[in-house]
Amino acid sequence: GDSVTQMEGPVTLSEEAFLTINCTYTATGYPSLFWYVQYPGEGLQLLLKATKADDKGSNKGFEATYRKETTSFHLEKGSVQVSDSAVYFCALFMDSNYQLIWGAGTKLIIKP
Amino acid sequence: DTGVSQNPRHKITKRGQNVTFRCDPISEHNRLYWYRQTLGQGPEFLTYFQNEAQLEKSRLLSDRFSAERPKGSFSTLEIQRTEQGDSAMYLCASSHSRANARNIQYFGAGTRLSVL
Repeated sequence: GDSVTQMEGPVTLSEEAFLTINCTYTATGYPSLFWYVQYPGEGLQLLLKATKADDKGSNKGFEATYRKETTSFHLEKGSVQVSDSAVYFCALFMDSNYQLIWGAGTKLIIKP
Repeated sequence: DTGVSQNPRHKITKRGQNVTFRCDPISEHNRLYWYRQTLGQGPEFLTYFQNEAQLEKSRLLSDRFSAERPKGSFSTLEIQRTEQGDSAMYLCASSHSRANARNIQYFGAGTRLSVL
């Protein structure tokens, strides 16, 4: 079945460091891909999305490119801030299934 | 647009009791989803409504769980005879069914259930 695998956390970085959180997927069709973020005590928020191969989603300095050849959607940010500390979830959506399929989440800790 | 609203935010109950949660989606959204999230895991799909019709149910949704969306607006999720394994965060999401928007789900803050 469809699935999402993302790197285990926690990921601990210093402020202004470069961030990569890996995400790979398995799907029988052509899914849409998402990154959601969950700040402490808050609900899931859509961070960025991409709906087809080679699309790049971007928001708040974060970027991810839909790579069909490597079935990946890695999240990157050039210079992280303490306020980026949160749990990041990679997810895919198939129209045929209606539902989002989620990775296990990666906790990001940014130290000043 | 006030976002997806879930009530209560927290529920503590004793094993064997029944609980009911409510979700109010974004007003123009006709699709509504329930997910369950346990600590350290991503959400797991439970069920999906389009308007008032329940179109998909996960096998995670045992016969103790029932969800309704009687008028195609708010939804309720009821768990009967709660068990300690039901302790989790229950998340509601909504989306529009327009072709360019139906894959974008907006989430509420969730209801955290603790079964003692």
